[in-house]
Amino acid sequence: NAGVTQTPKFRVLKTGQSMTLLCAQDMNHEYMYWYRQDPGMGLRLIHYSVGEGTTAKGEVPDGYNVSRLKKQNFLLGLESAAPSQTSVYFCASRRRQETQYFGPGTRLLVL
Amino acid sequence: SQQGEEDPQALSIQEGENATMNCSYKTSINNLQWYRQNSGRGLVHLILIRSNEREKHSGRLRVTLDTSKKSSSLLITASRAADTASYFCATDLDRGSTLGRLYFGRGTQLTVWP
Repeated sequence: NAGVTQTPKFRVLKTGQSMTLLCAQDMNHEYMYWYRQDPGMGLRLIHYSVGEGTTAKGEVPDGYNVSRLKKQNFLLGLESAAPSQTSVYFCASRRRQETQYFGPGTRLLVL
Repeated sequence: SQQGEEDPQALSIQEGENATMNCSYKTSINNLQWYRQNSGRGLVHLILIRSNEREKHSGRLRVTLDTSKKSSSLLITASRAADTASYFCATDLDRGSTLGRLYFGRGTQLTVWP
């Protein structure tokens, strides 16, 4: 099993550009998550999904959109990137009441 | 906020010593989880303890849960330099509008000196 994978690993954007981060898991997990982590900070939940076709907002959803069209994939979109969105983005997945598995992270720099 | 809060924020010890980190939370939980994060890497799961359990062990790790005090502790025995990392607790309420969410604390930064 590959576990949780994220694409891309690193990206540089200019302010106003858009991009999509892809998360994939091969563990048949119902729940999937997108977090961001800034230097010296803990994780902040952006959006999450408890099943295919469902999404919900986390703590910091503004400026991001998500889609879960397939159970194994969870996409995070930035429609118009801002420097404040410079961060490391982590995807994660799990089964209900079970442990969470994290991807390796995507480093995003917005200039 | 339900967010687990770790204490202390930072801990610095010598190799061979024990390290204890605490986590407190506010409302009843289904389970509590501990994670480790090495610098620049993703979080790695350490131990999950359910609300009906009081203690769990995994190698040099021991986790306790006191639901009456709404607190948990992570003990790392005989620490090594390789244990240097940030440690996070996360609470799973598994009910109502919180279904699916894990609430992470800000973490404890552990530094183990050789």
